[in-house]
Amino acid sequence: SQTIHQWPATLVQPVGSPLSLECTVEGTSNPNLYWYRQAAGRGLQLLFYSVGIGQISSEVPQNLSASRPQDRQFILSSKKLLLSDSGFYLCAWIRQTVSSGANVLTFGAGSRLTVL
Amino acid sequence: KQEVTQIPAALSVPEGENLVLNCSFTDSAIYNLQWFRQDPGKGLTSLLLIQSSQREQTSGRLNASLDKSSGRSTLYIAASQPGDSATYLCAVNSGYALNFGKGTSLLVTP
Repeated sequence: SQTIHQWPATLVQPVGSPLSLECTVEGTSNPNLYWYRQAAGRGLQLLFYSVGIGQISSEVPQNLSASRPQDRQFILSSKKLLLSDSGFYLCAWIRQTVSSGANVLTFGAGSRLTVL
Repeated sequence: KQEVTQIPAALSVPEGENLVLNCSFTDSAIYNLQWFRQDPGKGLTSLLLIQSSQREQTSGRLNASLDKSSGRSTLYIAASQPGDSATYLCAVNSGYALNFGKGTSLLVTP
């Protein structure tokens, strides 16, 4: 069965410190991978998506970056955190097929980041 | 750019009531639409997925409908229970990723 893991679950970091959130998927190959952010009072915002190793598309210009060093690993990073980076970060995956109509997007449990 | 709107933003109902959550989207060229549930501080759980060729999907007390031409979907919850209290999110797949509404926060009181 397919599972998705995110860590850490919670993180408190000072402004200007680096960030690394990790996401891995098991039980599937060549998934599409996504990083979303959910800030207080706002909807889910797509940050990055990846259709393959080393392939990253950015939706929102900011001080965050993403990498996909392995097929089932997706990492969200920052060199220097800002207060506005606080939020709930969610990793998700979807199976790649020619017809995507029947594919369900599956989320990890999320990582709550507080920048002080 | 696909815009997804959910109405109402919040809803409080007594236990046992039937209720309808609404979702609208601006671009009818979609692959599918998903309804999710999110409990406080948790990730999202997929409830129902409706493909663009389908009109509705049912799972237990939940029924989701899709009218692609008018850009609307509804989530119907029958005989609501306190355990249904959560935020319900609608998401539209128009290509590489899903666009989400801001959700409807539902409270079912005993």
